[in-house]
Amino acid sequence: AQSVTQLDSQVPVFEEAPVELRCNYSSSVSVYLFWYVQYPNQGLQLLLKYLSGSTLVKGINGFEAEFNKSQTSFHLRKPSVHISDTAEYFCAVRMSGSGGYQKVTFGIGTKLQVIP
Amino acid sequence: ETGVTQTPRHLVMGMTNKKSLKCEQHLGHNAMYWYKQSAKKPLELMFVYSLEERVENNSVPSRFSPECPNSSHLFLHLHTLQPEDSALYLCASSLRGSDYNEQFFGPGTRLTVL
Repeated sequence: AQSVTQLDSQVPVFEEAPVELRCNYSSSVSVYLFWYVQYPNQGLQLLLKYLSGSTLVKGINGFEAEFNKSQTSFHLRKPSVHISDTAEYFCAVRMSGSGGYQKVTFGIGTKLQVIP
Repeated sequence: ETGVTQTPRHLVMGMTNKKSLKCEQHLGHNAMYWYKQSAKKPLELMFVYSLEERVENNSVPSRFSPECPNSSHLFLHLHTLQPEDSALYLCASSLRGSDYNEQFFGPGTRLTVL
């Protein structure tokens, strides 16, 4: 079984400041890792994903994340946030080798509030 | 229409009503999912259909009944719900066959049970 822990339920940050949203996972097998964003009254949108290769992954809207296997972490970062980044962010994990339907485990979410 | 659409976007129903949620994907995918999103809880996977066959049913009460008539459409039939069933219900779809394929989500239906 796999699980995802998002350590912060809410993160307030001033506009143009850097931000890091933390995610740790546990799994007994190789996994793929994802970050999704949910804007108010919308569904989830994929920000970035780690499947293999370089451990530093770049996504949309200037976000990036680094896969750290030894620490079982996949923290999300942005060097300078904008008001429009205010949203809820979900970390997710999926077992590798599941080319059929996908069983994804989500974290509880972190609400990022950007303060003007 | 593009992507994954869901109707209605908002639904208020009494505990004795029967209603249905509809999901349609325009992406040529062949796996579809229902998730329940409640406040302060992780997304809960409810049902998965792969090639129109139900492959996951995660201990969901029988008052929720899914239907997948074809690879583009997914329904969730609701009857005699409880107030604790109030939540955002998200539909997603994906393409089978490769680990590199991701799930695409619809905007959700906000359900309130009175």
